[in-house]
Amino acid sequence: GAGVSQSPSNKVTEKGKDVELRCDPISGHTALYWYRQSLGQGLEFLIYFQGNSAPDKSGLPSDRFSAERTGGSVSTLTIQRTQQEDSAVYLCASSPQGQGRGYTFGSGTRLTVV
Amino acid sequence: SQQGEEDPQALSIQEGENATMNCSYKTSINNLQWYRQNSGRGLVHLILIRSNEREKHSGRLRVTLDTSKKSSSLLITASRAADTASYFCATAGTYKYIFGTGTRLKVLA
Repeated sequence: GAGVSQSPSNKVTEKGKDVELRCDPISGHTALYWYRQSLGQGLEFLIYFQGNSAPDKSGLPSDRFSAERTGGSVSTLTIQRTQQEDSAVYLCASSPQGQGRGYTFGSGTRLTVV
Repeated sequence: SQQGEEDPQALSIQEGENATMNCSYKTSINNLQWYRQNSGRGLVHLILIRSNEREKHSGRLRVTLDTSKKSSSLLITASRAADTASYFCATAGTYKYIFGTGTRLKVLA
């Protein structure tokens, strides 16, 4: 597609439920990133995928968080047993291979855990 | 831990004035980028400056980089109401960018 697509745009879930957030990157972009942004804060790195290499999961805050990227394209971020502190905007970005390339961000998923 | 820290946290100016935002970081970088965010959603890439560059221009934007001081500045000239947004610097050591906490710019018409 023309841009990075994220779905849903908004998600309200009850505490303890599992949620799945989807990211469809720009076709041909080999790098895909997930970030989290709490209200009024900067972006917190979560996970990075590059081609077929093992992902960098160093930013995932707990083992309740996991992500996969199927076929080097679409990525799903899963949060199990959601907690109120998981409420944030989850942003996905993709970029072409190689250093020094700007990210293209999606519009994000605003997750609210009640 | 966050790499970049923007200063000031918030800035309010009149339309037509220039806006300057600063970013400081802690470790060596390959490049530094500036992004704009409207309404707390997706970020838009503005400009990238490499570690061997000192200044770069793009339209009304001017970015400087001082690697000896580990700092960068973003200057928006002749600001417009549409420039109202949050601005973030992002630094890259290897492949992932670490974002600062941002500067909230408000341009008053």
